[in-house]
Amino acid sequence: GQNIDQPTEMTATEGAIVQINCTYQTSGFNGLFWYQQHAGEAPTFLSYNVLDGLEEKGRFSSFLSRSKGYSYLLLKELQMKDSASYLCAVRRNDYKLSFGAGTTVTVRA
Amino acid sequence: DAGITQSPRHKVTETGTPVTLRCHQTENHRYMYWYRQDPGHGLRLIHYSYGVKDTDKGEVSDGYSVSRSKTEDFLLTLESATSSQTSVYFCAISWTSGSHQSSYNEQFFGPGTRLTVL
Repeated sequence: GQNIDQPTEMTATEGAIVQINCTYQTSGFNGLFWYQQHAGEAPTFLSYNVLDGLEEKGRFSSFLSRSKGYSYLLLKELQMKDSASYLCAVRRNDYKLSFGAGTTVTVRA
Repeated sequence: DAGITQSPRHKVTETGTPVTLRCHQTENHRYMYWYRQDPGHGLRLIHYSYGVKDTDKGEVSDGYSVSRSKTEDFLLTLESATSSQTSVYFCAISWTSGSHQSSYNEQFFGPGTRLTVL
């Protein structure tokens, strides 16, 4: 079975940095994804990690530690448009994804 | 744009009625998925398909059936809808490396169908 935990909500100020943590327990790990989902819309792909370390993509970075079952998504220079839910998803060896419940980030002016 | 659409986008129905949701893709991708999304639960896999007439169950398949008679269409059927099936349903597609610019095999999601069962 899968157990994926992430905080329910986070609030931060425009221009600040926010780190969203995700911990997981799984068998047959084959990568971790982060998706962004604005209210009323479909999830969209943000990042993918399969090896330990940091992947940087502009203002967004994602980190993975497989030995600790831990990932984080780092959002820098927050903008109002970053207000959304962020979904952590673990892929198993059968290529199915298991999602966490999502973290709602609210960016305040 | 991964070329994935869902229909209908919104539906209100009554308990006990059959409902079919359609997912259509235009790029001949092999893998298709149906998820439901509910507050506090995130996205949960209902059924998936790895080719025409090849489908398998996900973690919340009870009360749902699927069919895939053509590569481009993946249908989700609620034989007798219940109020617990009120949810937002997302279809997703993915592909193996080599047929897309990404090697991640990430899933692309359709716009979703909001289903209300009264």
